Amino acid sequence: EVQLVESGGGLVQAGESVRLSCAASGFTFSTYWMHWVRQAPGKGLLWVSRIDKDGTVTTSVDSVKGRFTISRDNAKNTVYLQMNSLRVEDTGVYYCVREAPDAGAWFLDVWGKGTTVTVSS
Amino acid sequence: EIVVTQSPATLSVSPGERATLSCRASQSVSSKLAWYQQKPGQSPRLLIYAASTRATGIPARFSGSGSGTEFTLTISSLQSEDFAIYYCQQYNDWPPWTFGQGTKVEIK
Repeated sequence: EVQLVESGGGLVQAGESVRLSCAASGFTFSTYWMHWVRQAPGKGLLWVSRIDKDGTVTTSVDSVKGRFTISRDNAKNTVYLQMNSLRVEDTGVYYCVREAPDAGAWFLDVWGKGTTVTVSS
Repeated sequence: EIVVTQSPATLSVSPGERATLSCRASQSVSSKLAWYQQKPGQSPRLLIYAASTRATGIPARFSGSGSGTEFTLTISSLQSEDFAIYYCQQYNDWPPWTFGQGTKVEIK
């Protein structure tokens, strides 16, 4: 069974840091691009960051550039999101998401259950 | 950045009726549009990709259509388990990948 299991969320103060982890199983992790998507309480979905198969090419939404870093360890089948200088508006559920494998098919085909980050002022 | 707009925000439908949800992109995304379903307390689930292709395991009552800037998700006969929030997302021009704000399908 294909699974993505996030961890690392919690309650933090504004300005602090947290690292989210996502453990993948049931598929060949090293052949997939991976994403993080955020959902603020009661709100819609916001794409946050993406990393290529090898961990060498990353991209992020402007609002987190310079603060969040996506990375991966293919030996551990895990993708990470290092979140620094957290702001209240970063509060939400963070989903780890797999990108569809076919060339040009950049949609998101498997989602984890999410981990909640709450940033207090 | 491509802006994706969904309408209506809320759709009230009786079980067994048809539901039609709309999604508009601020510029052409060709057919690179996906639909996701999110039930309360759950993560989103892929329903449709390439505007009209059902994902694995998705019932035939879900269908997608459109290309360019105008897209539609149709649920032919609503079942109780279909009451949820539906998001569309463009993946033609990125970053960023952009989602619509969602349409909530509720019981009438």
